[in-house]
Amino acid sequence: GQSLEQPSEVTAVEGAIVQINCTYQTSGFYGLSWYQQHDGGAPTFLSYNALDGLEETGRFSSFLSRSDSYGYLLLQELQMKDSASYFCAVRGTGAGSYQLTFGKGTKLSVIP
Amino acid sequence: ETGVTQSPTHLIKTRGQQVTLRCSSQSGHNTVSWYQQALGQGPQFIFQYYREEENGRGNFPPRFSGLQFPNYSSELNVNALELDDSALYLCASSLDRGTYEQYFGPGTRLTVT
Repeated sequence: GQSLEQPSEVTAVEGAIVQINCTYQTSGFYGLSWYQQHDGGAPTFLSYNALDGLEETGRFSSFLSRSDSYGYLLLQELQMKDSASYFCAVRGTGAGSYQLTFGKGTKLSVIP
Repeated sequence: ETGVTQSPTHLIKTRGQQVTLRCSSQSGHNTVSWYQQALGQGPQFIFQYYREEENGRGNFPPRFSGLQFPNYSSELNVNALELDDSALYLCASSLDRGTYEQYFGPGTRLTVT
């Protein structure tokens, strides 16, 4: 099976940088994804890491360390609109490899 | 906007009833996954359909069933509704079953009383 741990809530100031961590336990590993979900909205894809290292997409970056079963999402130059829930998700291997397992989410509040 | 649509937006049912939720995938996508999201939780995988065949199933009982049609639209059917089935039901389409990027619809909020 698969399980993911991420902080339930994070608060940060507008313009600052925030890091949301995710640790996972899986029977196999195919990649770590990040999704953003605003209240009342649908999850939207942010990033995907299959290999170790940092992936950068504009203000958002995502990091993966497969040896540590750990990843994080880095949000820079925070804006009020970044207030949302952020989910890490993993795909396993073998049977169920097409199944995406999500963490419980981190609620980010950006304050002025 | 992802191009994935779901209907209805909201639904109220009584325990024991049956419900059908619908999803229209993004153009060109042949794979759809269904998720249940309880309040304050992450989406939980129900099952995935690829080219009209079930391609994987999460830890949900058989009263949760689905269909995918030749145009790749999809249905989620839930029989014998229970109070715990109250949740947001999300469908997500992807270009192929191995594609990691999924495009979610806005969801159907189901309330079972």
